[in-house]
Amino acid sequence: DVELVESGGGLVQPGGSLRLSCAASGFTFSGYFMDWVRQAPGKGLEWVARVRNKDNRYTTEYAASVRDRFTVSRDDSTTSVYLQMNSLKTEDAAMYYCVRDSSIGWYYDYWGQGTLVTVSS
Amino acid sequence: EVVMTQSPVIMSVSPGERATLSCRASQSVSNALAWYQQRPGQAPRLLVYGASTRASGIPARFSGSGSGTEFTLTISSLQSEDFAVYYCQQYNNKSPITFGQGTRLEIK
Repeated sequence: DVELVESGGGLVQPGGSLRLSCAASGFTFSGYFMDWVRQAPGKGLEWVARVRNKDNRYTTEYAASVRDRFTVSRDDSTTSVYLQMNSLKTEDAAMYYCVRDSSIGWYYDYWGQGTLVTVSS
Repeated sequence: EVVMTQSPVIMSVSPGERATLSCRASQSVSNALAWYQQRPGQAPRLLVYGASTRASGIPARFSGSGSGTEFTLTISSLQSEDFAVYYCQQYNNKSPITFGQGTRLEIK
């Protein structure tokens, strides 16, 4: 079975950094694009970042709200995805979900349970 | 950026009844539209993609329709586990993909 398990969330002060990890299993990880989607408390869903696969040169894309502050990466050897978050703002506080792109279209067929990021002084 | 607008924001329906949820795109997204269900305390779950194709394991009471800018998710006979928040998401205009704000389906 496909499984996505996030970790690394926690409490951080504004301006601080945090690195989220996502351990994937149950599928041929190297073939898929992987994304991060977030959800602020009581709010809707917001796409954050994408990392493509080796065939697409591991290219990345970011939402305008996080560009130049967040970096997404992957390690196919350990089937993991990462999100390095720098210069965190209070508005970055959210549940962060690791999601698998369907490979048919840019929608998400599997979601992790999420890791909570709190940004507060 | 394509803006997705869902209506209503909150819907109260009795178990066993039909629920019809709407999603409108600010410009045509063809049939590149997905629906997700999010139960309290859980991650979202894919219900429908391609506007009308049910995802694996999704019950037949869920059906999607529409194309262009107007889309509908219908739940034919509501079960207790269907009371949740539903999100639509467009993926035609590829960057960025965008979600609707959600419709909360409540027990009447």
